[in-house]
Amino acid sequence: DGGITQSPKYLFRKEGQNVTLSCEQNLNHDAMYWYRQDPGQGLRLIYYSQIVNDFQKGDIAEGYSVSREKKESFPLTVTSAQKNPTAFYLCASSIRARETGELFFGEGSRLTVL
Amino acid sequence: AQKITQTQPGMFVQEKEAVTLDCTYDTSDPSYGLFWYKQPSSGEMIFLIYQGSYDQQNATEGRYSLNFQKARKSANLVISASQLGDSAMYFCAMRESSGAGSYQLTFGKGTKLSVIP
Repeated sequence: DGGITQSPKYLFRKEGQNVTLSCEQNLNHDAMYWYRQDPGQGLRLIYYSQIVNDFQKGDIAEGYSVSREKKESFPLTVTSAQKNPTAFYLCASSIRARETGELFFGEGSRLTVL
Repeated sequence: AQKITQTQPGMFVQEKEAVTLDCTYDTSDPSYGLFWYKQPSSGEMIFLIYQGSYDQQNATEGRYSLNFQKARKSANLVISASQLGDSAMYFCAMRESSGAGSYQLTFGKGTKLSVIP
């Protein structure tokens, strides 16, 4: 089945630790995205990538880093510089970045900082 | 200014009735796209319906229709014959065709719909 796989589904982290969230897609999509969702809020864009080895900052990139070494993979690292990292993180992909086609989402990763 | 406004934090609807979820948007771009997504309690985002700014007719997908009023900049989602499984968060989103907005969807804060048996 084609889709987007995020792991882990739940993650706990101590303050000061970096953590990496995995996102893998087998849809052969060029563009991939990371969104953050806080309670009562919509989704906010962290980073996006249109092609391999290229990515751009979204609205709230501070304290996060990404890589795009393979078309299928777009991992997100939440660094210790992120002041309030507890949130629900959603990865998405689309065929092209600048088309009107919809985004396909993974099931999300819930990060809790203890 | 918010680009997507959803003014109803929560809505209730009786099973089998129709319900309208409001969405207004703000853009100066003549070409844009509007989306509605459903988010059940499990968390995944499910695409429901899409409306392009140049589409002459309102989009429909099964029980979902989009009431697109371009002059009023509104893109309300209508769900007909509500079912218990429709209980979820619903998000309106927009993609603009130029500038940084062309690479992302901008989301509203969502409306929580509860279907009552």
